[in-house]
Amino acid sequence: DTAVSQTPKYLVTQMGNDKSIKCEQNLGHDTMYWYKQDSKKFLKIMFSYNNKELIINETVPNRFSPKSPDKAHLNLHINSLELGDSAVYFCASSQVGGQEEAFFGQGTRLTVV
Amino acid sequence: SQQGEEDPQALSIQEGENATMNCSYKTSINNLQWYRQNSGRGLVHLILIRSNEREKHSGRLRVTLDTSKKSSSLLITASRAADTASYFCATDVGDYKLSFGAGTTVTVRA
Repeated sequence: DTAVSQTPKYLVTQMGNDKSIKCEQNLGHDTMYWYKQDSKKFLKIMFSYNNKELIINETVPNRFSPKSPDKAHLNLHINSLELGDSAVYFCASSQVGGQEEAFFGQGTRLTVV
Repeated sequence: SQQGEEDPQALSIQEGENATMNCSYKTSINNLQWYRQNSGRGLVHLILIRSNEREKHSGRLRVTLDTSKKSSSLLITASRAADTASYFCATDVGDYKLSFGAGTTVTVRA
């Protein structure tokens, strides 16, 4: 059983389109995150949620809208995709914020053409 | 701005040698964590060291933490080809934000 699963693994889409990435964790964790990893491997936090509530929005354009229907799911919707959105997006979860280890999904490689 | 920065950016060693990489950070932390990322995969947690700890071991891994210098090091002893990966440090400052750096890419040559 995969602990943190995100779909799809690959996403190729045209500029201007809207797309969603789904994430689910079966670990019973309270905190979930979205990270963006650029081509230089730098991992930048985008959002963190705790018990379905938004805690951190790290100056992400409002074209990015996370949604947490319950504490096991954190989805990411992106409107009006731009070339600069091309990256690998990782979902992660942890028990309580950063106090314990985080578990990562396999990543979604988004390519905007 | 980045909280943690790893050094060096890249490291190439022979199988059997030790690999050491460092992480410096800017603000006070609750804990510091090290992760490994194999090519094309997600990050995997290796070890967590809390701010009141100075050294921790896990198998072939040894992590040190110097809060006065705001720095940590990760030592991998007797490296193997399977250790080829990128290694990241992450800091917890207590605000539900686990901050990562850009990582150290380690290549272990057979």
